[in-house]
Amino acid sequence: GESVGLHLPTLSVQEGDNSIINCAYSNSASDYFIWYKQESGKGPQFIIDIRSNMDKRQGQRVTVLLNKTVKHLSLQIAATQPGDSAVYFCAEPSNTGNQFYFGTGTSLTVIP
Amino acid sequence: DAGITQSPRYKITETGRQVTLMCHQTWSHSYMFWYRQDLGHGLRLIYYSAAADITDKGEVPDGYVVSRSKTENFPLTLESATRSQTSVYFCASSDFGSKGSYEQYFGPGTRLTVT
Repeated sequence: GESVGLHLPTLSVQEGDNSIINCAYSNSASDYFIWYKQESGKGPQFIIDIRSNMDKRQGQRVTVLLNKTVKHLSLQIAATQPGDSAVYFCAEPSNTGNQFYFGTGTSLTVIP
Repeated sequence: DAGITQSPRYKITETGRQVTLMCHQTWSHSYMFWYRQDLGHGLRLIYYSAAADITDKGEVPDGYVVSRSKTENFPLTLESATRSQTSVYFCASSDFGSKGSYEQYFGPGTRLTVT
């Protein structure tokens, strides 16, 4: 089955710096990925998605990069703010497309 | 209120008791999901439903039962609770691709402790 892993389960950055959160996936046929943010005590919240026909997608202060050659995607957060402190998950669909597999998450701490 | 709600938010129960966690969404999303979240395991899918009266197993279905008689509700029942089912449970709903996105909208979670 698929596995979605995350490098570095914890990450600390200074406020104002850029953050990079990485994710490795194993299913080369995966054609869609989603990043979620989960703040303490809350449910995960959608940040951004990307399809496999794209290498890069930008949102508000976030950019997702997809490298299909090495089956790796990353989430970049520009000018990290204290409100960005959370756990970040990447997710990819199953072969059937009826469910998603989530990684274990990376905990981002922003240091004021 | 629009959105997705879960009840109760916190529950303590004893081993062997039956517990039902409720989930309600107001968007008329076709898909609904139940996840459990444990340290070191991330989010794991228990059951999902593609429409009313259609349910299917996820990654960790043992010990759980679901039903979906109405589109907006998706209750999760632990028929005989065990300590290993102590966890935080999240319900989610989604259009699941009908508008090009597979975004899932998550509820606030239910923290269940089985003693």
